[in-house]
Amino acid sequence: DGGITQSPKYLFRKEGQNVTLSCEQNLNHDAMYWYRQDPGQGLRLIYYSQIVNDFQKGDIAEGYSVSREKKESFPLTVTSAQKNPTAFYLCASSISGQGSQPQHFGDGTRLSIL
Amino acid sequence: DQQVKQNSPSLSVQEGRISILNCDYTNSMFDYFLWYKKYPAEGPTFLISISSIKDKNEDGRFTVFLNKSAKHLSLHIVPSQPGDSAVYFCAASGTGGSYIPTFGRGTSLIVHP
Repeated sequence: DGGITQSPKYLFRKEGQNVTLSCEQNLNHDAMYWYRQDPGQGLRLIYYSQIVNDFQKGDIAEGYSVSREKKESFPLTVTSAQKNPTAFYLCASSISGQGSQPQHFGDGTRLSIL
Repeated sequence: DQQVKQNSPSLSVQEGRISILNCDYTNSMFDYFLWYKKYPAEGPTFLISISSIKDKNEDGRFTVFLNKSAKHLSLHIVPSQPGDSAVYFCAASGTGGSYIPTFGRGTSLIVHP
């Protein structure tokens, strides 16, 4: 049963702490993405990766970091430099980086500040 | 500067009637458009798409219309069902470097029984 798994579903961060959100896919997709959703906002792109060991900044990459060491995994680290991290984070994948390919999304991680 | 705009934050319709969700875009490089549906606390799921070489694409109760000259597309749901109640996102992408989809802010559809 193929899909994208994000964990944890809920995450709490203390001030000055880095936290890492997990994203795993078993769809054999080349491209993976991280989005942030705030209330009343669309999906804003944080980072994307079209191939292993390569990734690109999106529109709001400041305060975030990623890695793509394996095809199936694309973890996102929210660093202490991200001053407003409270949001709903969505990971997605697509067969390739072509815009015509629909993205498959995980069920998200909600991050809150303690 | 929003390149993909969904100007109606919410829409309420009666079960069995038509739902029309609108989306406008500004980037003339966009040539592929997708609609996603999102339930609370879940990720969006792909619904339907349309290429700029077409002006209509239909899939069951869902039809997307594209007016390139007006840079406007719409999603029609006929007949609307209570299970259609969700947030609908319009996304646009293109060749020539703008292939990463740009999403609108979404429209919350409520279908009343």
